Amino acid sequence: AQSVAQPEDQVNVAEGNPLTVKCTYSVSGNPYLFWYVQYPNRGLQFLLKYITGDNLVKGSYGFEAEFNKSQTSFHLKKPSALVSDSALYFCAVREVGGGADGLTFGKGTHLIIQP
Amino acid sequence: ETGVTQTPRHLVMGMTNKKSLKCEQHLGHNAMYWYKQSAKKPLELMFVYSLEERVENNSVPSRFSPECPNSSHLFLHLHTLQPEDSALYLCASSQETGGYGYTFGSGTRLTVV
Repeated sequence: AQSVAQPEDQVNVAEGNPLTVKCTYSVSGNPYLFWYVQYPNRGLQFLLKYITGDNLVKGSYGFEAEFNKSQTSFHLKKPSALVSDSALYFCAVREVGGGADGLTFGKGTHLIIQP
Repeated sequence: ETGVTQTPRHLVMGMTNKKSLKCEQHLGHNAMYWYKQSAKKPLELMFVYSLEERVENNSVPSRFSPECPNSSHLFLHLHTLQPEDSALYLCASSQETGGYGYTFGSGTRLTVV
């Protein structure tokens, strides 16, 4: 079974400060890891993914995430937050070789960037 | 637009009504999914279709009935729903293999009255 934990319901950051949204995962084998963002009344938009290779993954809108196998984590980061980054962020995992099995999502973290 | 289109965007229905949600993708993907998103709950996977065959049903009540007539279209037929079924219903598609993740539609906001 695969699972994802996002320990924070909400993260508050001042504009211009660095931000981190935490994610840990559990899979039997190797993971594919993803971050998605959701704006109000919209579907989820893909931000970035880790498949293999470099542990530091760069994605859309200046976001990046670091895969840490020993800590089974995939935290989302951005060096300087913008007010427009305020949204709901989902981490997701899929086991390598899982075929058409569904992605498993975390419960989401509300990111609030204060001007 | 993401390449995955869901209609309608909003739906209000009574508990005795029958309605259908539609999802369409032209990305050449082989797998399609229905997810339910309720307030303060994780996304719930409802149905998975791969190459037009259902491969997973996560114990969804029979009042939800999926249909996948071809690899580009996915429906969710609704009947005798309950108020607790009110939620955002999201459709997604993906390549069957490989770690490409999903492309999501914008969802249908369903309200059961």
